[in-house]
Amino acid sequence: DQQVKQNSPSLSVQEGRISILNCDYTNSMFDYFLWYKKYPAEGPTFLISISSIKDKNEDGRFTVFLNKSAKHLSLHIVPSQPGDSAVYFCAASKGGGADGLTFGKGTHLIIQP
Amino acid sequence: EAQVTQNPRYLITVTGKKLTVTCSQNMNHEYMSWYRQDPGLGLRQIYYSMNVEVTDKGDVPEGYKVSRKEKRNFPLILESPSPNQTSLYFCASSQGNTGELFFGEGSRLTVL
Repeated sequence: DQQVKQNSPSLSVQEGRISILNCDYTNSMFDYFLWYKKYPAEGPTFLISISSIKDKNEDGRFTVFLNKSAKHLSLHIVPSQPGDSAVYFCAASKGGGADGLTFGKGTHLIIQP
Repeated sequence: EAQVTQNPRYLITVTGKKLTVTCSQNMNHEYMSWYRQDPGLGLRQIYYSMNVEVTDKGDVPEGYKVSRKEKRNFPLILESPSPNQTSLYFCASSQGNTGELFFGEGSRLTVL
């Protein structure tokens, strides 16, 4: 049973526009959420996180929104740049720990010039 | 430079031939973990370790072993590899078991 779902395998966005990546979760015990970015032939790198006590967290061009009632989070990238082309993984954990960290399948973001 | 180092990066082997993928981190992190990435399945946790001599199973531990004799090293052992263990493997570490993991560059393993 997939507890973290990224239903869009890929997303194409024009450079300069907003990219919105979505993630849904089913386990109501999850209270800490993260986004990772992965380039080909490299390991994932941590991008941004949010605790369940917040509904928004911003870091430069990246903002993560959390809607607990809908069990949904989204990553907004504004403006999108060519270097943002990568696979983005949503992840969730209970208690902020990494031992139960559950990843989604990833969304391949393609930024078109 | 802070890093997680995995070796080998690429390996082709045959069924049943024992192999070890090494992982070393230079950040003095307590927590270390192994993941495998497969097409359409994302990242799945194999084993993790909260500290030296403390290891536990993740979601897909079958066919794998690990050990944590030193803080910096967390090798992944395939005693008798099978073709369904063909995958891309990532080692990761974090300070104090936060979800913010540092990943290695990955080891692509092919079992024939």
